[in-house]
Amino acid sequence: AQKVTQAQTEISVVEKEDVTLDCVYETRDTTYYLFWYKQPPSGELVFLIRRNSFDEQNEISGRYSWNFQKSTSSFNFTITASQVVDSAVYFCALLTGAGNKLTFGGGTRVLVKP
Amino acid sequence: DTEVTQTPKHLVMGMTNKKSLKCEQHMGHRAMYWYKQKAKKPPELMFVYSYEKLSINESVPSRFSPECPNSSLLNLHLHALQPEDSALYLCASSLPGLAGGETQYFGPGTRLLVL
Repeated sequence: AQKVTQAQTEISVVEKEDVTLDCVYETRDTTYYLFWYKQPPSGELVFLIRRNSFDEQNEISGRYSWNFQKSTSSFNFTITASQVVDSAVYFCALLTGAGNKLTFGGGTRVLVKP
Repeated sequence: DTEVTQTPKHLVMGMTNKKSLKCEQHMGHRAMYWYKQKAKKPPELMFVYSYEKLSINESVPSRFSPECPNSSLLNLHLHALQPEDSALYLCASSLPGLAGGETQYFGPGTRLLVL
């Protein structure tokens, strides 16, 4: 069975602070895919990043960066110099093998105060 | 263009009503999904259509009836719903991908209130 855990339920920061969201996953499959989605108050889930289990290269894209470590089954996400518009719920999700059923973590609510 | 559209944005219905939710995408995706999301919870998968055929039904009650008329459209027919069915209903689509792992792109959702 697959499982995704986001231990942080809510994070509150002041604008321009960095914020790191933790994600730990469990799967017995050797081929899997990890995702981060952002859900602003409007409700739409916005796709941010996708990584497969064979690609541990970490990446920086603008103010976003990701740290994928298979050894610890973690896929953490950092927002650098946070802005008020970053306020949202962030979901980490796992997809395994040839299936198309996403397993979501519980989500982390990020509140960026001006 | 990674746009999935959903109508209506908001829906209020009584327990005896029949209504339908509509989802549309023009990205050439051949897999489409319905999710239900309760407040402060992650989305829960309801149905998956792959090449217009129902491939996954997550034991959803029969008062929810999905329909995929063509590769661009996905409907969710609602009948005799209960107040606990009030939620945000999200549609998503993806390439089918023989190897799996395709990104699912979500629509803005329909906020449903059952009175």
